[in-house]
Amino acid sequence: DTAVSQTPKYLVTQMGNDKSIKCEQNLGHDTMYWYKQDSKKFLKIMFSYNNKELIINETVPNRFSPKSPDKAHLNLHINSLELGDSAVYFCASSLGQGEAEAFFGQGTRLTVV
Amino acid sequence: ILNVEQSPQSLHVQEGDSTNFTCSFPSSNFYALHWYRWETAKSPEALFVMTLNGDEKKKGRISATLNTKEGYSYLYIKGSQPEDSATYLCAFDNFNKFYFGSGTKLNVKP
Repeated sequence: DTAVSQTPKYLVTQMGNDKSIKCEQNLGHDTMYWYKQDSKKFLKIMFSYNNKELIINETVPNRFSPKSPDKAHLNLHINSLELGDSAVYFCASSLGQGEAEAFFGQGTRLTVV
Repeated sequence: ILNVEQSPQSLHVQEGDSTNFTCSFPSSNFYALHWYRWETAKSPEALFVMTLNGDEKKKGRISATLNTKEGYSYLYIKGSQPEDSATYLCAFDNFNKFYFGSGTKLNVKP
């Protein structure tokens, strides 16, 4: 049973399209995150939600919008995709308090052509 | 944006060697320091979460130490095995905000 699952695993799309990446966790965690792995392989935080509320919103373009329908889901919507959006996006979740390790999904490789 | 640095960037060792690498992070606003093991094509897997200055944690042949006053953590692997080959990431936890280093890529040759 996968703890943090992302779909799709691969996404190839044209510039200008709107796409979504879904993330679900079955760990009962309160906090969920989206990370982008950049060209230098750094994992950079984009958003963090705690109990469906946005608590961290790093400097990312407005075209990126997270949506948390419930505590177990944090989806990432991207409008008007650009070539530079091509990257691997990771979802993660944690208890969000104390010594809370984060559990990561497998990643979604987004390629914009 | 916080600076988290890891060194070396990559490391090649022979099976049986012991090795260690470093994670440097800001010493202010410290909440926790995380170590992850990340194999190619898989998701990062948590190794340790450390919060107290002087903390030392161990899991099998892998251990880690923490110095929050000077802002560094060491990860040690004793008697490296080929299955230890992976990228080891540290993350500075600024209360719900993880800042990752670029990782140390370890390659253990049989």
